Amino acid sequence: DGGITQSPKYLFRKEGQNVTLSCEQNLNHDAMYWYRQDPGQGLRLIYYSQIVNDFQKGDIAEGYSVSREKKESFPLTVTSAQKNPTAFYLCASSIDSGSRETQYFGPGTRLLVL
Amino acid sequence: DAKTTQPNSMESNEEEPVHLPCNHSTISGTDYIHWYRQLPSQGPEYVIHGLTSNVNNRMASLAIAEDRKSSTLILHRATLRDAAVYYCILRPGGSYIPTFGRGTSLIVHP
Repeated sequence: DGGITQSPKYLFRKEGQNVTLSCEQNLNHDAMYWYRQDPGQGLRLIYYSQIVNDFQKGDIAEGYSVSREKKESFPLTVTSAQKNPTAFYLCASSIDSGSRETQYFGPGTRLLVL
Repeated sequence: DAKTTQPNSMESNEEEPVHLPCNHSTISGTDYIHWYRQLPSQGPEYVIHGLTSNVNNRMASLAIAEDRKSSTLILHRATLRDAAVYYCILRPGGSYIPTFGRGTSLIVHP
């Protein structure tokens, strides 16, 4: 089945630790996105990539980093510089970033700080 | 950025139709109107989208005002599985990355 997978479902981070969230898609989509969602809030864009080896910052990129070495994969690293990382992280993809294109979302990773 | 305004929450009874409104008074001619919904602890899923004409699919209908400054998502017969947060977003023509506001939390009563 085609779709987007995110792992792990839950992730715990210690103070000062970097952690990496996985996002993989087998939809052959060019565009991929990372969003952050806090309780009761909407989704805020962290980073997006329109093509392999290229990515741009979203609204809240500070404390996060990404890579896009393969079309299928767009991992997100939450660095120690992100002081309040506890949130629900959602990865999405679309055929491209055109205005008609639908975004497909993964099931999310919930990050908690110990 | 083109913005949308939605009520924070709405309630409905099971088996009844639901009309979820969205205002987008600053919409421009090339902006597509997209609707997504998010079930608890899940990622959002696409519901429907349109530009000018009303649209129907197996999940819902989208009614777009003639001046395009508002739209309504219609669920013809609400079920308990339709309880979710519904997001109305605009996607301008060309390459643009959508942002999701708080949406409307739909409560469905049995």
